Amino acid sequence: GAVVSQHPSWVICKSGTSVKIECRSLDFQATTMFWYRQFPKQSLMLMATSNEGSKATYEQGVEKDKFLINHASLTLSTLTVTSAHPEDSSFYICSARAVTGKFTVVHNEQFFGPGTRLTVL
Amino acid sequence: EDQVTQSPEALRLQEGESSSLNCSYTVSGLRGLFWYRQDPGKGPEFLFTLYSAGEEKEKERLKATLTKKESFLHITAPKPEDSATYLCAVHPSYTNAGKSTFGDGTTLTVKP
Repeated sequence: GAVVSQHPSWVICKSGTSVKIECRSLDFQATTMFWYRQFPKQSLMLMATSNEGSKATYEQGVEKDKFLINHASLTLSTLTVTSAHPEDSSFYICSARAVTGKFTVVHNEQFFGPGTRLTVL
Repeated sequence: EDQVTQSPEALRLQEGESSSLNCSYTVSGLRGLFWYRQDPGKGPEFLFTLYSAGEEKEKERLKATLTKKESFLHITAPKPEDSATYLCAVHPSYTNAGKSTFGDGTTLTVKP
């Protein structure tokens, strides 16, 4: 299947610092990527839709200036948590929808990365 | 508004004890229904896509079926390694944005 990577897999930072998380589609191109947040024993919460070459679309209640998303190429989207605070500690997961390459978009499946565990002290 | 409800919330089975997980959905036109498996501390792993009522897909001990209102994930003779949270998601036909609505998942525990 399609492979999506995330880096780093875990990060610990001090309150007030910014953290960047990368999401890459390894064997396909993705015009659309999604960023989710997941708390322990809870389901996925969609934060934003990242579109290559345009501004991200944020879900209601998600602070655009807090969670900066950049989708500069067909294989890379980044999420930057700015001025992180302990309440931002969570499991962040990205997913990608294939457009070209070995997979076509007609089915709209999302392929997920392994996730990034963020802990803000 | 699209809705996905999964039941039960948690399911405990003995190894070899077959059962089914349910995903009920309400959507304005279904483009696809997806099943994922998620292990603790990892991202969801894609399992199946179903497009129309009556369709079935199989993979090892798992079989997914679809009706106009719900989908079932049947697990035959499960093994402990099948323990995970299973997520269901629907993609509506009225949007091409790619957003899916996810259920809260069913956490399956298979005891040896």
